[in-house]
Amino acid sequence: GAVVSQHPSWVICKSGTSVKIECRSLDFQATTMFWYRQFPKQSLMLMATSNEGSKATYEQGVEKDKFLINHASLTLSTLTVTSAHPEDSSFYICSARLLAGVTQYFGPGTRLLVL
Amino acid sequence: EDQVTQSPEALRLQEGESSSLNCSYTVSGLRGLFWYRQDPGKGPEFLFTLYSAGEEKEKERLKATLTKKESFLHITAPKPEDSATYLCAVPNQGGSEKLVFGKGTKLTVNP
Repeated sequence: GAVVSQHPSWVICKSGTSVKIECRSLDFQATTMFWYRQFPKQSLMLMATSNEGSKATYEQGVEKDKFLINHASLTLSTLTVTSAHPEDSSFYICSARLLAGVTQYFGPGTRLLVL
Repeated sequence: EDQVTQSPEALRLQEGESSSLNCSYTVSGLRGLFWYRQDPGKGPEFLFTLYSAGEEKEKERLKATLTKKESFLHITAPKPEDSATYLCAVPNQGGSEKLVFGKGTKLTVNP
């Protein structure tokens, strides 16, 4: 139980294009999902907290207009990297939390490479 | 001041050589301490949640324990497939939903 999927698992795009990453909780409902970014040999850095039906809460220093988050249902959240640049290349990981739970369950991650 | 500190940063063991990883935390009113395993190029895999001092949880060769100041992840008779980075996390001090992660311990188990 508590399986989270991400799609795509990896993506290569040209600078200036937008990329959408999907995060799904497969066997449970999640009112809250989280988006993280991880650079090589570093720990996870929270980008934003996504609550179903409301606007996401972004961490300090994360541009909300660049990283658009939509949490339209209890099982799906999307992260869109708009006008991607090479410095946005990273490993993006989502997590989901069970209703009334504390533990976060993570997806397998999406590797983004912007050329 | 870091809320979560993990040690050692890296640990090399021979197959079958038991050891422990440490996670010390400074948050008060702990609302849970989480252990995850992360393999290269993958998202963290949930291992354990501990809520109160004295609590212990086991899964195969892993056992997690919790005191008021720290948690240990004991690895008994490790195998090469236990090689991974082990992450410890606690909910943020301010009561928000975010998790604060330690920098992790990279475990390598040699055959």
